[in-house]
Amino acid sequence: EVQLVESGGGLVQPGGSLRLSCAASGFIFSNYWMSWVRQAPGKGLEWVANIKQDGSEKYYVDSVKGRFTISRDNAKNSLYLQMNSLRAEDTAVYYCAPGDNFDYWGQGTLVTVSS
Amino acid sequence: QSVLTQPPSASGTPGQRVTISCSGSSSNIGSNIVNWYQQLPGTAPKLLIYSNNQRPSGVPDRFSGSKSGTSASLAISGLQSEDEADYYCAAWDDSLNGWVFGGGTKLTVL
Repeated sequence: EVQLVESGGGLVQPGGSLRLSCAASGFIFSNYWMSWVRQAPGKGLEWVANIKQDGSEKYYVDSVKGRFTISRDNAKNSLYLQMNSLRAEDTAVYYCAPGDNFDYWGQGTLVTVSS
Repeated sequence: QSVLTQPPSASGTPGQRVTISCSGSSSNIGSNIVNWYQQLPGTAPKLLIYSNNQRPSGVPDRFSGSKSGTSASLAISGLQSEDEADYYCAAWDDSLNGWVFGGGTKLTVL
């Protein structure tokens, strides 16, 4: 059974940093592109970033370029999102999802940026 | 303002057929596959349709997808109360070098 468990969310002040983690199991993690997708409260889905199987390619939505960094550790079946210079508009539930089709989703981790 | 355009709401009565549209451009839907996601109230999204018209195992054949040019559609036949959810389309955008989503359509079963 595929499991995706996101963690690391919380309340942070504007300008602060957080590191999100996603622990994956039930599939061969190293075979898949991985993505982060977020959903602001009461809003729609927004893709944030993705990373190739070996970490050699990474893409980001314009609004987070230069502030967020996606990374992965295939030995630990884990995906990460380092978020710096956080803004109020980054407040959202963050999901990790595997594959070209976002085949599975975890329950997400809530990031709240507020003073 | 989402790159892909969906109607904000749709509705139907039990047993009816409803369709949800998703409009894009040549850089996204026009040149890449479209996926659809269902998000039931208070839950995480779930892949509903991939590669324009393919259903993952476990998704009822009441759900179907299609694509023509720069637009795509999700059809739900034999509407059931448990289909009440938000539906999102998504596609890779070659110009933006990223995935883009529609703004979502809230489906109400009357």
